[in-house]
Amino acid sequence: DQQVKQNSPSLSVQEGRISILNCDYTNSMFDYFLWYKKYPAEGPTFLISISSIKDKNEDGRFTVFLNKSAKHLSLHIVPSQPGDSAVYFCAASEEGSQGNLIFGKGTKLSVKP
Amino acid sequence: SQTIHQWPATLVQPVGSPLSLECTVEGTSNPNLYWYRQAAGRGLQLLFYSVGIGQISSEVPQNLSASRPQDRQFILSSKKLLLSDSGFYLCAWQSGPNSPLHFGNGTRLTVT
Repeated sequence: DQQVKQNSPSLSVQEGRISILNCDYTNSMFDYFLWYKKYPAEGPTFLISISSIKDKNEDGRFTVFLNKSAKHLSLHIVPSQPGDSAVYFCAASEEGSQGNLIFGKGTKLSVKP
Repeated sequence: SQTIHQWPATLVQPVGSPLSLECTVEGTSNPNLYWYRQAAGRGLQLLFYSVGIGQISSEVPQNLSASRPQDRQFILSSKKLLLSDSGFYLCAWQSGPNSPLHFGNGTRLTVT
């Protein structure tokens, strides 16, 4: 039973345009959400996070939106650059847990020049 | 600054052989430590986590075990590897709940 779902395995975007990566979750106890970026043969790199008391968090070109009623979050990258091409993982942790993260299966983003 | 070291980067082992993967963290004290596995075409699966020396929690039943002999050292082991143990193993540290995990560069394990 997947608690964190990334339904799009891949996404292709033109350089300079917006990339929107989506993530859905089923566990209403999740209260902390993160996005990671991963290149092949490397560990995931933390990008941005959001707690459940917010609905938006912005860091440079990256913005995460959280819709608690829909149990949905998204990552917007504007403008997209070829170096953004990687696999993006959505993750969540549950209130009261030790902080261990539950990950989605990832979305491979390709930004074309 | 904090750094995490994980080795080896790649490993090829025969079925039935033992396994020991080591992870160490520098620049922080009493971190939460994690072992995750990424199997081909799948997401990151939590295997073990530890909130302190000698404290290990397992998330899934499996052929693997973990130990934390020192505050900043986390070891993943197996007595006899199975083909299904092949995958990309990632160690991570965290300063506490509601904070990001920071991952090492991973170990690519191939069991033949």
